[in-house]
Amino acid sequence: SAVISQKPSRDICQRGTSLTIQCQVDSQVTMMFWYRQQPGQSLTLIATANQGSEATYESGFVIDKFPISRPNLTFSTLTVSNMSPEDSSIYLCSVTAGSSYNEQFFGPGTRLTVL
Amino acid sequence: GDSVTQMEGPVTLSEEAFLTINCTYTATGYPSLFWYVQYPGEGLQLLLKATKADDKGSNKGFEATYRKETTSFHLEKGSVQVSDSAVYFCALSSGNTGKLIFGQGTTLQVKP
Repeated sequence: SAVISQKPSRDICQRGTSLTIQCQVDSQVTMMFWYRQQPGQSLTLIATANQGSEATYESGFVIDKFPISRPNLTFSTLTVSNMSPEDSSIYLCSVTAGSSYNEQFFGPGTRLTVL
Repeated sequence: GDSVTQMEGPVTLSEEAFLTINCTYTATGYPSLFWYVQYPGEGLQLLLKATKADDKGSNKGFEATYRKETTSFHLEKGSVQVSDSAVYFCALSSGNTGKLIFGQGTTLQVKP
């Protein structure tokens, strides 16, 4: 398994500002992902964070709005840019560990409220 | 594209009742199937998984069987407890991308 931490755990931000969320894993992992969970909704994949190259975004998500970095095998950041109240969500980092693509471990999430 | 459909919630049961949460999926190829649980105020945890047809995943008294013929992965527990109150998500992953596609989640409330 993998132990994942996220910072900050929660934040309240003003419209038009940006917030960077950090995801730290206690071991080197193959794949890292960022998900969004809007209030009362399910999880939606934002992008796959690729080590040393640009992230792979899902339909409906773009790099200008959600820039992602992954400088090494244990760390990634997600920035929510030019925020609006519609960006209020829980943002979760997840990883696959070892050689199995079949099990993902999730971080505790970052609860973002945009006023 | 691939998708997961879960039964609508909330589901409210008395302690020791039998639980079924239905999950069906649409996917090309042969996906892996998962149940995740989110307890109040906590993060998402893997509850159980199955990677091929007829596999049964089990954990903490919960079970689900991968049924290819009905494209289903229903979650069951014989006797629920108040501590099982949580949101349950069915999910699938296909290919080697590792990406998960989640159902909409089902809230379970167990009353003493």
